[in-house]
Amino acid sequence: GAGVSQSPSNKVTEKGKDVELRCDPISGHTALYWYRQSLGQGLEFLIYFQGNSAPDKSGLPSDRFSAERTGGSVSTLTIQRTQQEDSAVYLCASSRSSGSNTGELFFGEGSRLTVL
Amino acid sequence: ILNVEQSPQSLHVQEGDSTNFTCSFPSSNFYALHWYRWETAKSPEALFVMTLNGDEKKKGRISATLNTKEGYSYLYIKGSQPEDSATYLCAFGGNNRKLIWGLGTSLAVNP
Repeated sequence: GAGVSQSPSNKVTEKGKDVELRCDPISGHTALYWYRQSLGQGLEFLIYFQGNSAPDKSGLPSDRFSAERTGGSVSTLTIQRTQQEDSAVYLCASSRSSGSNTGELFFGEGSRLTVL
Repeated sequence: ILNVEQSPQSLHVQEGDSTNFTCSFPSSNFYALHWYRWETAKSPEALFVMTLNGDEKKKGRISATLNTKEGYSYLYIKGSQPEDSATYLCAFGGNNRKLIWGLGTSLAVNP
């Protein structure tokens, strides 16, 4: 597609359930980022992929969070045993750059997760 | 702790007014400063990526300046229009390949 695509756009789940969020980046973009924005907070870095490998997972809040990327393209962010504090907008972005900070990021519209 | 601060937090202006916001960031280990516009129900969209001290960039009625020695960037909007209403985010890129984001300036332009 022309832009970064994320699904689902909205997800309401019960505490304790697992959720999977998907990101389809712009074709040819090697770098892929996951961020989240909780209410009243700034964008929080979660994880960064260069191709299929994740050189920086330092932002993942706990071991309930994991992410993978296959074929250098689609990425999934999985949250196990969701908690109410996981409620946020999860944004995916991709970039042409090799992972430097000078490349423009192209964002999806986000997945809004609400944990009841 | 690396901190990026944006001011003001929110701003209301009348159509036709010119306005500006500030982004403050660490003055060491600078690689890049990004500006993005985030309209409600849309995805954040890049405005500028600036890498050189003294850089000035312009896109239509929007321009930005960069001072890496003192750690600030200004974003200017000339002749604000209602469609400029959005949250404007800046992000600092240091030497660890990770962007640090400000909380944004929320701009509302009244017709």
